[in-house]
Amino acid sequence: QSVLTQPPSVSGAPGQRVTISCTGSSSNIGAGHDVHWYQQRPGTAPKLVIYGNSNRPSGVPDRFSGSKSGTSASLAITGLQAEDEADYYCQSYDRRLSVSFFGGGTKLTVL
Amino acid sequence: EVQLVESGGGLVQPGDSLRLSCAASGFIFSRYEMNWVRQPPGKGLEWISYISSSGNTMYYADSVKGRFTISRDNAKNSVYLQINSLRAEDTAVYYCARDQGGNWDFDSWGQGTLLTVSS
Repeated sequence: QSVLTQPPSVSGAPGQRVTISCTGSSSNIGAGHDVHWYQQRPGTAPKLVIYGNSNRPSGVPDRFSGSKSGTSASLAITGLQAEDEADYYCQSYDRRLSVSFFGGGTKLTVL
Repeated sequence: EVQLVESGGGLVQPGDSLRLSCAASGFIFSRYEMNWVRQPPGKGLEWISYISSSGNTMYYADSVKGRFTISRDNAKNSVYLQINSLRAEDTAVYYCARDQGGNWDFDSWGQGTLLTVSS
């Protein structure tokens, strides 16, 4: 079981809004460590889409947003497009284990 | 353009040793911390190792501690992962990734190199 828990799958129709949760604990997200989010399309390397909880790298559409509260974080995608279909991973640092961890990943299906 | 290119993967037998390489270009390599992340076929991402910009500090996931060694050569713009006593569960795509700001956020990734451990 991962240190960071994500739902295995979410889905939404084109144009809709979806959110993906990432639940941690008092030794990682709850300790104030930042959460980052990655998108991975099949057969490709992961791509950073949100860093530092809510910041978008250059080139990432503003349809992607991130938030953090307490021991959890969320990635929201509005105006769903077919190209958003991918696996999404959250990542944070755990101060008890002194290493970085990824969540188990969430498969987003665009219906 | 930032580019990371991994190499060194392939089919190896259990118990063998192997060194993966990651060649960097398009940025001042010596200023950035680097990491290795792996992904078993059909499974999620696993962070496995970190090295500081100077090469003086390294961290490892518990799952690889004692068998994996990360190193870098800033003169050659490269980071390496030495893997000993290979096991079937080490089968994965191995990615190198750049930490953009020292906050464990990886803004650039290589295309990955597949390592298959099988007899």
